[in-house]
Amino acid sequence: KAGVTQTPRYLIKTRGQQVTLSCSPISGHRSVSWYQQTPGQGLQFLFEYFSETQRNKGNFPGRFSGRQFSNSRSEMNVSTLELGDSALYLCASATRAYEQFFGPGTRLTVL
Amino acid sequence: GESVGLHLPTLSVQEGDNSIINCAYSNSASDYFIWYKQESGKGPQFIIDIRSNMDKRQGQRVTVLLNKTVKHLSLQIAATQPGDSAVYFCAAAITNDYKLSFGAGTTVTVRA
Repeated sequence: KAGVTQTPRYLIKTRGQQVTLSCSPISGHRSVSWYQQTPGQGLQFLFEYFSETQRNKGNFPGRFSGRQFSNSRSEMNVSTLELGDSALYLCASATRAYEQFFGPGTRLTVL
Repeated sequence: GESVGLHLPTLSVQEGDNSIINCAYSNSASDYFIWYKQESGKGPQFIIDIRSNMDKRQGQRVTVLLNKTVKHLSLQIAATQPGDSAVYFCAAAITNDYKLSFGAGTTVTVRA
């Protein structure tokens, strides 16, 4: 069974730009969560989707948004990028909300 | 909210010895806990989980212990191998909260 896939794996953007990251969950998984990982803050929860509905959202500014499609694939968008948005963005999928399996992440660098 | 912390940021262990990684959580409402292993350049990998109605759960070479009284859980790795070198995270969740709260991570280094 294929794991969680994330595209792109690496991304370089400049301040003020926007970015869209994509996540394809494990087949049959309907819950998709997003996390931001940085050396200083560790793994922080961004949001969780189930059947196209956002069920929870972390403490991030409105520049961070996401959505889930009917095939369970998910995207997250960050607008007006700041230097502090440089991080590894991880997507996780689950049949239920907690037994989450992570993808390899997208490494975003903001210059 | 939930605050999850690890007792030691680093752990060095001799190959073949047992490893113990400790974690504390703050919210007594947390009822599901997971241990993850993250190797360099990869996403966190699920190791083992435990629900709050259990005190102990065993997997292959790993055991998780949960002490709800003091809000503490630990991960024991038996006969630690070089491939166990990684960063280990504990995470806690509350039913119907739909998110995991992660600790800071313990870097385990296995000495040959």
